[in-house]
Amino acid sequence: DQQVKQNSPSLSVQEGRISILNCDYTNSMFDYFLWYKKYPAEGPTFLISISSIKDKNEDGRFTVFLNKSAKHLSLHIVPSQPGDSAVYFCAASRANSGYALNFGKGTSLLVTP
Amino acid sequence: DGGITQSPKYLFRKEGQNVTLSCEQNLNHDAMYWYRQDPGQGLRLIYYSQIVNDFQKGDIAEGYSVSREKKESFPLTVTSAQKNPTAFYLCASSPPTVMNTEAFFGQGTRLTVV
Repeated sequence: DQQVKQNSPSLSVQEGRISILNCDYTNSMFDYFLWYKKYPAEGPTFLISISSIKDKNEDGRFTVFLNKSAKHLSLHIVPSQPGDSAVYFCAASRANSGYALNFGKGTSLLVTP
Repeated sequence: DGGITQSPKYLFRKEGQNVTLSCEQNLNHDAMYWYRQDPGQGLRLIYYSQIVNDFQKGDIAEGYSVSREKKESFPLTVTSAQKNPTAFYLCASSPPTVMNTEAFFGQGTRLTVV
């Protein structure tokens, strides 16, 4: 049963505009959320994270928002650049499973010039 | 340079053969994980280990086995009991498991069973 869901398989955005990637989760025990970026045939690289005690975390062009009551988080990329084109995975973890990450299926972002 | 190394990058095996995928890290991380990625799917947890000589089954452990004899190494064996072994396998590690933190991934091994 998928506990972390990314319902948009793909997203296309023009360069310079905002990219918004969404993620929903079902397990209220998750207390840490992460976003990873992945290129084909490579391992994911960590992008940004947020603890469940916060509702926003910002790092440069990347901001993650967490709405615990809705069990929803989103990643905003502003401004989007062609180099941001990749698959973005949302992940969540909780203490009683060894902090192993539960991943969504990913959203493929294409930023066009 | 510190990092996590998976080898080989590509691996071909005949159906019915066991195969072992290597994962080594020199980050001094306590926890290590194995994930599997299939086309159009997210990463699914196979096994994880929080400490040497201890490991736990993940969501899709059937047909796989692991060992954790050294902190640096967490090899994954894909046995003949795994019905669909062809996939992209990713190993990850993370610092002490007393807190939430990001995991660092290797570059992956693509296993093809023919």
